[in-house]
Amino acid sequence: EVQLVQSGGALVQPGESLRLSCAASGFTFSSYWIHWVRQAPGKGLAWVSRIEGAGSTTNYADSVKGRFTISRDNAKNTLFLQMNSLSAEDTAVYYCARSFRYFDGTYALDIWGQGTLVTVSS
Amino acid sequence: QSVLTQPPSASGTPGQRVTISCSGSSSNIGSNSVHWYQQVPGTAPKLLIHSNNQRPSGVPDRLSGSKSGTSASLAISGLQSEDEADYYCATWEDSLKGWVFGGGTKLTVL
Repeated sequence: EVQLVQSGGALVQPGESLRLSCAASGFTFSSYWIHWVRQAPGKGLAWVSRIEGAGSTTNYADSVKGRFTISRDNAKNTLFLQMNSLSAEDTAVYYCARSFRYFDGTYALDIWGQGTLVTVSS
Repeated sequence: QSVLTQPPSASGTPGQRVTISCSGSSSNIGSNSVHWYQQVPGTAPKLLIHSNNQRPSGVPDRLSGSKSGTSASLAISGLQSEDEADYYCATWEDSLKGWVFGGGTKLTVL
């Protein structure tokens, strides 16, 4: 079964750090771009970051640039999101999602992890 | 404030047809495909429509998508109680090198 299983969410204090993980199975992990998308409580979806299959190219939303780092370990089929200098505005459910390339050349996020809650509060 | 604009809510009775709109600009919808996601509260989003109007395997054909210029829409015909959920449109934003989403539309089946 193709799936992404997430872990790492927690309650942390402002200014602290946290690392999220996303373990892939059922597909060739290293062949896909993987993304992080977050959803603040009661709000919509917001893209956070992406990483290319080999890990050499990454992009970030302006709201997290310089604080978050996306990385991957293809030998362990695992994606990471290192989050530093966390603030209350980072409180959200974080999802990892696979980017799949369709026949017409377009990409869509087709497989999503179950989500993990990050709460930043004192 | 989301980059893509959706109505916050929509509703219909069982069997009816409902449409949800999504408006963007030339740098996002105008130059990229639109995708639609369904999210039941407390669960992860599920891909419903990709590439403007293509249904992944397992998605019923009473769901359809379309795009014209800088707008897109999702149509659900033969509305069922299990369609009650939040629906999000999404597309690639070239300037951001990232995904942009609509604010979501809460669909209520009356």
